[in-house]
Amino acid sequence: DAGVTQSPTHLIKTRGQQVTLRCSPKSGHDTVSWYQQALGQGPQFIFQYYEEEERQRGNFPDRFSGHQFPNYSSELNVNALLLGDSALYLCASSLDRDLDGELFFGEGSRLTVL
Amino acid sequence: AQKITQTQPGMFVQEKEAVTLDCTYDTSDQSYGLFWYKQPSSGEMIFLIYQGSYDEQNATEGRYSLNFQKARKSANLVISASQLGDSAMYFCAMREGDNTDKLIFGTGTRLQVFP
Repeated sequence: DAGVTQSPTHLIKTRGQQVTLRCSPKSGHDTVSWYQQALGQGPQFIFQYYEEEERQRGNFPDRFSGHQFPNYSSELNVNALLLGDSALYLCASSLDRDLDGELFFGEGSRLTVL
Repeated sequence: AQKITQTQPGMFVQEKEAVTLDCTYDTSDQSYGLFWYKQPSSGEMIFLIYQGSYDEQNATEGRYSLNFQKARKSANLVISASQLGDSAMYFCAMREGDNTDKLIFGTGTRLQVFP
């Protein structure tokens, strides 16, 4: 039973560039959410996708966008990268109808912006 | 505003001893859920235990138990019989309401288990 998988695991970009991060949810899950974790901080919610639509969004600028595909996998796109975007980006998945269900997290994509 | 507070930046415990990691929360919602996650250096957030606001019994999962005191808005994690592999960051998080995957995390507690 595959858990949440994310790619790439590490990447380095320069300011102004764009980046795409990918996530495959745990088998059987249909909802994906993304979190940003800066060094020494707890994760912060970016947005959640269900049925290919953005259901909820945290306090992040429009430079952060996402997509969910029919197979429930998801992408996070960040445009015009800033140094402050350097962080661990975590993907989490769940089953929508399981209201008390836990979130399963992947190992994250560590982004460094130079 | 919804908030999770973890006041212990770091904790030390000897192997085989029990340790309590503190967590307090603030919310005006009646329905919410409380989570504890473990994050080793690899980065993955590993789910440990969940407590719903309407659950009357404290949650337990193996060596982990959650000391839920609703009136005091606290949800402390108790790890019994600590193991060296328990050394990691521990995060308390809260989900407000239902049908959302938005969790609010605390700043974490770094636990170090020594022999």
